[in-house]
Amino acid sequence: DAMVIQNPRYQVTQFGKPVTLSCSQTLNHNVMYWYQQKSSQAPKLLFHYYDKDFNNEADTPDNFQSRRPNTSFCFLDIRSPGLGDAAMYLCATSRVRAWETQYFGPGTRLLVL
Amino acid sequence: GQQLNQSPQSMFIQEGEDVSMNCTSSSIFNTWLWYKQDPGEGPVLLIALYKAGELTSNGRLTAQFGTTRKDSFLNISASIPSDVGIYFCAGQLGETSGSRLTFGEGTQLTVNP
Repeated sequence: DAMVIQNPRYQVTQFGKPVTLSCSQTLNHNVMYWYQQKSSQAPKLLFHYYDKDFNNEADTPDNFQSRRPNTSFCFLDIRSPGLGDAAMYLCATSRVRAWETQYFGPGTRLLVL
Repeated sequence: GQQLNQSPQSMFIQEGEDVSMNCTSSSIFNTWLWYKQDPGEGPVLLIALYKAGELTSNGRLTAQFGTTRKDSFLNISASIPSDVGIYFCAGQLGETSGSRLTFGEGTQLTVNP
């Protein structure tokens, strides 16, 4: 029944140790998004994929990278996590058409020690 | 850039009361979305509005797309304890490569039994 799945739900990493978060979808949507959400704030878009086309937001740090090997999966790589990267990371999907709404996964809570 | 002003920031109400929250923008959007986010979870879509002036209901929830396309409101009637959470409005312009959402700052709703 789940449509947008994120694993793991909780991730603990060490300062500077690379970490990968994963997202998969059963909706066959063309577009996949990664957001960062800090406590009591709105989600902030990091980047999105339209099929295989990668679209980076201008203010997304180079520390954040993404891969989309196929339609169903998308990964968020944080190369050298800092304490300020501790947040909830949300994956979302939508169809290609511009007016289609975005559907969010349950998120991965990242803790950096 | 585009900004959404969402108000109120927080609400404390008694069970059974009606609730109203709204979002205003300095620029127009083609779609307005309302999401609810429970602690530790991703945002869940409540209502999507696609046309100026549109009034849409989903159970006890009613939302309207303002005629100027710069605002939207969400009403919750006869609130219950499970309505507790953060409500986000989001505006969407709609781009062919995937739609960027501009989020409001959220309204934290507390319902006292």
